[in-house]
Amino acid sequence: AQSVTQPDIHITVSEGASLELRCNYSYGATPYLFWYVQSPGQGLQLLLKYFSGDTLVQGIKGFEAEFKRSQSSFNLRKPSVHWSDAAEYFCAVGSGGYQKVTFGTGTKLQVIP
Amino acid sequence: IAGITQAPTSQILAAGRRMTLRCTQDMRHNAMYWYRQDLGLGLRLIHYSNTAGTTGKGEVPDGYSVSRANTDDFPLTLASAVPSQTSVYFCASSETSGGSYNEQFFGPGTRLTVL
Repeated sequence: AQSVTQPDIHITVSEGASLELRCNYSYGATPYLFWYVQSPGQGLQLLLKYFSGDTLVQGIKGFEAEFKRSQSSFNLRKPSVHWSDAAEYFCAVGSGGYQKVTFGTGTKLQVIP
Repeated sequence: IAGITQAPTSQILAAGRRMTLRCTQDMRHNAMYWYRQDLGLGLRLIHYSNTAGTTGKGEVPDGYSVSRANTDDFPLTLASAVPSQTSVYFCASSETSGGSYNEQFFGPGTRLTVL
């Protein structure tokens, strides 16, 4: 069965510092991968997605993610974090057929001044 | 455009009571989903619907039922609530065109407490 692992439950970074959130997936074929962000008290919003093609994917709000098949990873990055990036981030993989996705357990990002 | 609306925003419910969480979308998406979000467990799929008139079970369907009488509405019913159903519930929808996995759009959530 498909699965997603986000090994970091909580990460704290300073404003202006770079960020990398880790995501590892388990899937037998070419995966459909997503990163979603959840601001406090809100629903989830799509940051970016990977289906095929260029392994470096650009998303909204200055985020990017790189698909590495050899490492079964899809890490999310941002070169300079802003205080407004404080949120919870979820990696997800298309699973089980036809639009269903499996979400990771999330990484909560704290940004300090 | 409102996107997805959910009602109620929050609810405290006595165990054993019946409860329906409402979800309405105005994007004419074919697919709709119900998730529950619990600390440390992320989002888990309860039920889904690929098109009006059809529904399917997700990862944690027990104790929940859904219906999809039309494109816009996808209510989730707890027939007899139990404390383990205390959670935040999110409704989502997506297009089904293109033959691949499409972006899911989420509602603001319903916080349910079962005592």
